[in-house]
Amino acid sequence: AQSVAQPEDQVNVAEGNPLTVKCTYSVSGNPYLFWYVQYPNRGLQFLLKYITGDNLVKGSYGFEAEFNKSQTSFHLKKPSALVSDSALYFCAVSVPDNYGQNFVFGPGTRLSVLP
Amino acid sequence: DSGVTQTPKHLITATGQRVTLRCSPRSGDLSVYWYQQSLDQGLQFLIQYYNGEERAKGNILERFSAQQFPDLHSELNLSSLELGDSALYFCASSVGSGVGVNEQFFGPGTRLTVL
Repeated sequence: AQSVAQPEDQVNVAEGNPLTVKCTYSVSGNPYLFWYVQYPNRGLQFLLKYITGDNLVKGSYGFEAEFNKSQTSFHLKKPSALVSDSALYFCAVSVPDNYGQNFVFGPGTRLSVLP
Repeated sequence: DSGVTQTPKHLITATGQRVTLRCSPRSGDLSVYWYQQSLDQGLQFLIQYYNGEERAKGNILERFSAQQFPDLHSELNLSSLELGDSALYFCASSVGSGVGVNEQFFGPGTRLTVL
């Protein structure tokens, strides 16, 4: 069965500093990996995805993520955090088959960027 | 704005009752996904429909059912409601069936409160 872990419930970082939100996964087969962000009282917004190819994926709002197959990780990063990046971040994994797409989301990590 | 609409925004009802949540996908999207988000369970995938047919099933209770209509809107029916069904219910849509792995676009959610 697929599973996603986000080992940190909360990440605090000062504005202007680099940020990392961690994600590890467990799947049988080749994973498709996603990051979503959720702002208060809003639905989830897509940030980026890894399907195949270059291990470093660039996404929206200056975020990027690095796929590491040996460590089964897909950490989200940003070189310089903004206060407006404060939100709840979800990592998700999917192993689609010929039938449909079953997403499994991690528990979420709350990012607080302090001014 | 993701282009996915959900109604109603809020719903308050009593235990034992039945409710229907409605979702309209983005224009052109054929897949609709339903999720439940609660504090203790996190974000749980419930079910996916593609062009009117059920495609993938997650942790959906037997008391819950869904369908996708010819105009591609979808409804999630929740019956014999229990206090534990109180949660935020999200609908998402994507272009394909999921086999090609497309990102999902989320609606703003329906907050269900069961008293």
